[in-house]
Amino acid sequence: AQKITQTQPGMFVQEKEAVTLDCTYDTSDPSYGLFWYKQPSSGEMIFLIYQGSYDQQNATEGRYSLNFQKARKSANLVISASQLGDSAMYFCAMRQYSGNTPLVFGKGTRLSVIA
Amino acid sequence: GAVVSQHPSRVICKSGTSVKIECRSLDFQATTMFWYRQFPKQSLMLMATSNEGSKATYEQGVEKDKFLINHASLTLSTLTVTSAHPEDSSFYICSARDLSGEGYGYTFGSGTRLTVV
Repeated sequence: AQKITQTQPGMFVQEKEAVTLDCTYDTSDPSYGLFWYKQPSSGEMIFLIYQGSYDQQNATEGRYSLNFQKARKSANLVISASQLGDSAMYFCAMRQYSGNTPLVFGKGTRLSVIA
Repeated sequence: GAVVSQHPSRVICKSGTSVKIECRSLDFQATTMFWYRQFPKQSLMLMATSNEGSKATYEQGVEKDKFLINHASLTLSTLTVTSAHPEDSSFYICSARDLSGEGYGYTFGSGTRLTVV
């Protein structure tokens, strides 16, 4: 069975600083995909970044980068130059490549950006 | 880009009544829809998976007679909470499989906040 673990219930970061949100995963499937989503107080799920298990390079999307360490089964999200608007819940999620499978989510990390 | 329109965004209903939540894919065909529930300060928990034209598959512990899912067309899936009770108050959100590739295959609705009084 797949499992996503986010051990940081809450994080604080100073505006303009970088922050790393931790995510570890467990799966027996050799093919899988890892996702990060942002959920503001409105509830919508905003897709941030994706990493495939066979991708050689770490994914980057603007201020977001994913530190993928396959041997450690970790997929940490790095947000550079934090902004006040980054304050939200952040969820790490995973899916298997085989079949029409749903995303499995971690418990999330609440990020608060301080001015 | 791919959009899933979810309605209503908020609903307050009386205990014992039923509430229907709709998720409509606007510019793509959603053969599969996932329904999640999220309690305050918790994660998204999968309730069920629905495929167009077939019965939904429910996760363990989710009452299929209480949470009726219909996926009659490639662009519309509905979740009906029957005989709602205060403990059903939660945030419900759908996620469509979008094979066009945007969002790497998953497009979420904007969610429905249900309050049962």
